[in-house]
Amino acid sequence: DTGVSQDPRHKITKRGQNVTFRCDPISEHNRLYWYRQTLGQGPEFLTYFQNEAQLEKSRLLSDRFSAERPKGSFSTLEIQRTEQGDSAMYLCASSSGRGYQETQYFGPGTRLLVL
Amino acid sequence: GDSVTQMEGPVTLSEEAFLTINCTYTATGYPSLFWYVQYPGEGLQLLLKATKADDKGSNKGFEATYRKETTSFHLEKGSVQVSDSAVYFCALSSTGNQFYFGTGTSLTVIP
Repeated sequence: DTGVSQDPRHKITKRGQNVTFRCDPISEHNRLYWYRQTLGQGPEFLTYFQNEAQLEKSRLLSDRFSAERPKGSFSTLEIQRTEQGDSAMYLCASSSGRGYQETQYFGPGTRLLVL
Repeated sequence: GDSVTQMEGPVTLSEEAFLTINCTYTATGYPSLFWYVQYPGEGLQLLLKATKADDKGSNKGFEATYRKETTSFHLEKGSVQVSDSAVYFCALSSTGNQFYFGTGTSLTVIP
């Protein structure tokens, strides 16, 4: 078990460009979550997957954001036409999906800076 | 809706001092409660959790008791170390579908 991994760790882009982040969850975990964390704030829920199905999306997730988990393993989060307000840390977490008592395990995050 | 309110920081303590970080919550139903810690440059790590009223979570000398009557889950440690310097997040989950986090409390322990 190598934990949750995310790639890249850092991304600098110009406003208007598209970016894609990848998350590899713990292998036996069937739930995968995306969060956004801005400076001085706690993580804010964006979306989550149960296997390959995207079951819930936050109102924070605008039309420019899309997430996929095509084979129920790794997931990608794409931001189209980035804006400076998208600058944040994007966190991925996974869990075994056994209910509300479960523990989420977080990756190290991808820090995005939009210039 | 569900939410978590955390004591604002930053908190600065001398080594071996007693630590309390307050956390209160609002939730429908009977949530599970968590404390996560984030060390500089790293992701969040689970510190401890409690899944029902009166449960006490503990780990690495930290403790927190799930108090339903006061809707609180305060984090305590009897004697902090420099290595405890980090940001601490209180969180809850009522359904397992969404987790709600507090804004975090930064702790700095000085020798």
